[in-house]
Amino acid sequence: EDKVVQSPLSLVVHEGDTVTLNCSYEVTNFRSLLWYKQEKKAPTFLFMLTSSGIEKKSGRLSSILDKKELFSILNITATQTGDSAVYLCAVADRGSTLGRLYFGRGTQLTVWP
Amino acid sequence: NAGVMQNPRHLVRRRGQEARLRCSPMKGHSHVYWYRQLPEEGLKFMVYLQKENIIDESGMPKERFSAEFPKEGPSILRIQQVVRGDSAAYFCASSSENIQYFGAGTRLSVL
Repeated sequence: EDKVVQSPLSLVVHEGDTVTLNCSYEVTNFRSLLWYKQEKKAPTFLFMLTSSGIEKKSGRLSSILDKKELFSILNITATQTGDSAVYLCAVADRGSTLGRLYFGRGTQLTVWP
Repeated sequence: NAGVMQNPRHLVRRRGQEARLRCSPMKGHSHVYWYRQLPEEGLKFMVYLQKENIIDESGMPKERFSAEFPKEGPSILRIQQVVRGDSAAYFCASSSENIQYFGAGTRLSVL
C-alpha cells in the first residue's frame, strides 16, 4: 500500500510554462517531506518541509506543505528544458527509524523547447 | 566536498553469481541508507546502517541480501546467488540533519 502518491505521473509542457506537481501522503506520525529531482543520475535534494503553510523557495522552484490535508505541491515557473527530470516526493515518519524515507513513484516532467 | 560515491555504476551478473555494490558516504556523514528502484516503481528502503552497526534492515529480503558498513572503508551491499528479479537500480544515501543525499546508483543487470 503506497504511503506517498504523486500526480500526475507524467507531464509534458513547453518552455516558459508553469507547472504544479502534487504529492499526497499517509503516515501515522509525520516528521518531514522532501522533494528531489532525478535525472539520469543521483536524485538531488531540492526542499525539506516540516511546517504547514511556509513556502520554501529556490529560484524558479517553490514548495509548500499542508499537514491538515496531507499534501505538498512543487511549483516550477518559467520552465526550461533543463527542468526535464523525474521529481520525487518522499516522507519520513516518526514511527520509523530516523531517516527511513517512503517515496512516491515520481512525476516525469518533459519540457519542450 | 565530494558527494556520495557509488561503484560500479553498472554491473552485469549471471544468475547464481554474487554482486557487491559499494557506497562511500559524503565526508563527515556516518549514516548510510540503501534503496532499490525497480522499473516503474519508486525507491524502496532496504537498510539503514551506521558505522559497524545495522540499525534497520526491515526492508531487505531475509535471504541472499546482506549489508555492512565497516569502521574503515565503504558500505557494501552484497547479493548472493543473484536472480533476474534482482535486476534494478540500487541507490545509496548518506545523511546530515535529516536530509539524505544520494549517490548516482548502481544498475544491476542479471542475465
